Amino acid sequence: ETGVTQTPRHLVMGMTNKKSLKCEQHLGHNAMYWYKQSAKKPLELMFVYSLEERVENNSVPSRFSPECPNSSHLFLHLHTLQPEDSALYLCASSQDRSSGANVLTFGAGSRLTVL
Amino acid sequence: GQNIDQPTEMTATEGAIVQINCTYQTSGFNGLFWYQQHAGEAPTFLSYNVLDGLEEKGRFSSFLSRSKGYSYLLLKELQMKDSASYLCAVMDSNYQLIWGAGTKLIIKP
Repeated sequence: ETGVTQTPRHLVMGMTNKKSLKCEQHLGHNAMYWYKQSAKKPLELMFVYSLEERVENNSVPSRFSPECPNSSHLFLHLHTLQPEDSALYLCASSQDRSSGANVLTFGAGSRLTVL
Repeated sequence: GQNIDQPTEMTATEGAIVQINCTYQTSGFNGLFWYQQHAGEAPTFLSYNVLDGLEEKGRFSSFLSRSKGYSYLLLKELQMKDSASYLCAVMDSNYQLIWGAGTKLIIKP
C-alpha cells in the first residue's frame, strides 16, 4: 500500500467515450498532482492542486479536465481522447508544493489505451 | 531550455556495483531527487541532494556536484530486485520538478 491509490489500474476507451480516473491519498498531504508517463519520455506534469485549488495547468488540452473536491481526492475526467493520449497516468501527493525537499508519493498509475 | 540527461538503459551483474549518471541544465536549483520505479508500479523516493557531496543510504548512495550540474546514483551489491527504472529529477528556482526520461537498469545473474 503506497498511501496513494489510483483506480482503475487499466482502462480502454474509444475516442468518443467519457471516463474518469480517480486518485485518493490518506497521507494528510496538501498538494496533489497528475502526471502523464509515456515510454522513454520524461514525466509530464499536467495539473497541480494545492489545498484543493488548482495552481498549475501546463497547457493541457481541454479534453482532460481535473477535479479536486477535497484534499484527499483528485479526479481526471477524460472526454474525446486521441490515440496519442494512450499512456500511464500517475497521481502523486506531497506535503507542500513549494519547498525544496518536496518528496512526492506516487500511486501505481492508471494505464490508459485509447482506440 | 531546461534539460535532464541520463542513459536510457544499463546492464549490470548481480553482486556488482553500478553508477547511473544524471546531468542537468535548469533555471536555478533547489535540489535533486532520485526515484526508483519497478515495471507496473509507482515511482518511489530514493534520495534527495541539495548540497555537494555524497549521501549514503545502505546499498544506495547519491552524489551531487552543483558546479558541474551532475549527479550519480551508486548501487552496490546489486540484487535482482534492483532491476527497475531510475528517475532523476531537479527542482528549479520556481519549485518545479524537471524530470529525466529515466534509466532502465537490467540485472543479470
